[in-house]
Amino acid sequence: SQELEQSPQSLIVQEGKNLTINCTSSKTLYGLYWYKQKYGEGLIFLMMLQKGGEEKSHEKITAKLDEKKQQSSLHITASQPSHAGIYLCGADGQGAQKLVFGQGTRLTINP
Amino acid sequence: DAGVIQSPRHEVTEMGQEVTLRCKPISGHDYLFWYRQTMMRGLELLIYFNNNVPIDDSGMPEDRFSAKMPNASFSTLKIQPSEPRDSAVYFCASRLSANYGYTFGSGTRLTVV
Repeated sequence: SQELEQSPQSLIVQEGKNLTINCTSSKTLYGLYWYKQKYGEGLIFLMMLQKGGEEKSHEKITAKLDEKKQQSSLHITASQPSHAGIYLCGADGQGAQKLVFGQGTRLTINP
Repeated sequence: DAGVIQSPRHEVTEMGQEVTLRCKPISGHDYLFWYRQTMMRGLELLIYFNNNVPIDDSGMPEDRFSAKMPNASFSTLKIQPSEPRDSAVYFCASRLSANYGYTFGSGTRLTVV
């Protein structure tokens, strides 16, 4: 089965700083999804990547999928308190609907 | 669109009791998923349906868990009898089809005492 490893597990940054979260897969990624979760709440869909080398941005968040489709990164520029939460990467296999998740990265933004 | 709707938001029950969690997917979505989230194990896929038919239930922990989808707009996850180790947040998600994102509900926080 596909396993996803996220790094770092937790991250504390000062407001205004940039940061990167990584997601590495044991197998080729066919669909890679980034979600954000706040404590006690559901998962908010951020972005979906499917093609090697693909890059998507939304506001100050950029996600990339490497050419070999085994690693993805999530980059936040000029972080704000609203970016705080748990970031989860998820992946499903080719033709499969089984979305599996990494263990998550807990992001804290200090003012 | 109201999104994926789960009920109840919180459930506290005594060990041995039956618990039923409910989910209404987004209208028109062909796929429905049930997940469980705990601190120790993270997010785990329990079962998923396609067009109301269970496709993969390999994540269902044991026979005490059962899930149904009687129609395209409603699904239930039932635990009978419940045990303290079932305490977790249970999420329902739906998906239009392949190549689309998965939309999650707000979850049901289950506490079994």
